[in-house]
Parts: sequence; structure tokens; C-alpha cells
Amino acid sequence: DAGVIQSPRHEVTEMGQEVTLRCKPISGHNSLFWYRQTMMRGLELLIYFNNNVPIDDSGMPEDRFSAKMPNASFSTLKIQPSEPRDSAVYFCASSKQGAGEKLFFGSGTQLSVL
Amino acid sequence: GDSVTQMEGPVTLSEEAFLTINCTYTATGYPSLFWYVQYPGEGLQLLLKATKADDKGSNKGFEATYRKETTSFHLEKGSVQVSDSAVYFCALTEGSNYQLIWGAGTKLIIKP
Repeated sequence: DAGVIQSPRHEVTEMGQEVTLRCKPISGHNSLFWYRQTMMRGLELLIYFNNNVPIDDSGMPEDRFSAKMPNASFSTLKIQPSEPRDSAVYFCASSKQGAGEKLFFGSGTQLSVL
Repeated sequence: GDSVTQMEGPVTLSEEAFLTINCTYTATGYPSLFWYVQYPGEGLQLLLKATKADDKGSNKGFEATYRKETTSFHLEKGSVQVSDSAVYFCALTEGSNYQLIWGAGTKLIIKP
């Protein structure tokens, strides 16, 4: 099993540009999470999908952030327009069902917005 | 609301020393408790978990016991190695089963 696959690994962009982060969860996992990690705020849950349906997006910072899961094997997190304060490591994680089951994290996308 | 408090790091130890990383929690019901580990440049990995009072989770020489009376889930290891250097996160989940409440993380540095 390849694990959770995220791309790109690093992204450097300029303020105002659109950024798209991609995630392929582990096959057979029904739950998908997008997290943001910063030194100041630690780990923040942005959005949770169950069976491809967004269940809780209350952690999405503002309308500039959007996430989709068109099928069980692919999800995207988009920031448009990006701002310097969006600089962080973004993680995708999946599990068989919910957070009570073991979460498998991808290696993350290090985003730098200049 | 629910919360998790971890000891501040970094914690610096010599190889083969005994490790304790403290974790206490507040919860309204009966949470499941977790320790995740994050090695440099990687995502988090589940280290161990416990789902009810007095349960002991263990993995790779690490242990933690769910103590309801002290609302604690301290992580211990008898003899640490340089390869244990990482950031350790304590977390809980309750009720909704998708919201993980995370501690701030404790950075562990092991010197040879």
C-alpha cells in the first residue's frame, strides 16, 4: 500500500495566485481530513469528508479556501487568492471510518506564499 | 469544551535515558486517547491508543496508561534512542468520532 499521497511536496507562490493541493487517500478508506499545521496554531482541522461528502467545513478559514472530493480516490484543497498568512504545512489524512480509527497522514505540502 | 495539555518542549535527553512526556485532558464523557509521532519532514503516525479507563497502549517500547482519576495519558519509554527524536502529539476523540482534539506537541531531542 502506497499510503496517503499528497502533491506537490513544496509550493512557492506569490500573493494573489491560486494554489491547488492534491491528495490521494488509501484505497478503502471512507474518511478524509485536511489539516493545516503552523508553529503558532498547531494542527487545525480544515475539513472532513465521509464517503466523499463534506461533513464539517467549519475549520475552513474563509471563502478563499475550498475543498472537493469528486470520488473516493481524490481530493483537492484550493486557495484563491492566496495570502502570505496561508503559509503553512497542509496535511491530508485518511482512515477507514472517522478519527477513532487510525489516521494515516500524507507527507504534507509545504506552502510558502510570498 | 474538550482539551488536551502537553508538557512544553523541547525535552532533551541522552540515549538510554527514561522518557516521560506528560499529557492531561479535559472531556465531558469517556474519550479515546492517542499518541501520534511526527518525524522531521513527515506526516503524523499513530504510535498508540487507549479507548477506556485503565487500558494501556503500547508500541515500539512506548507505553501510556489511560488514567481516568487523574485525567492523564502520559507517554513513557524505558530507554530512548536517537531515532526517537521527533515531535509527539497527544490527542483525544469523543462523541462525533471525527474531531480529534490535539495537544500542542512536544519536541523530543535525544543526544548520543
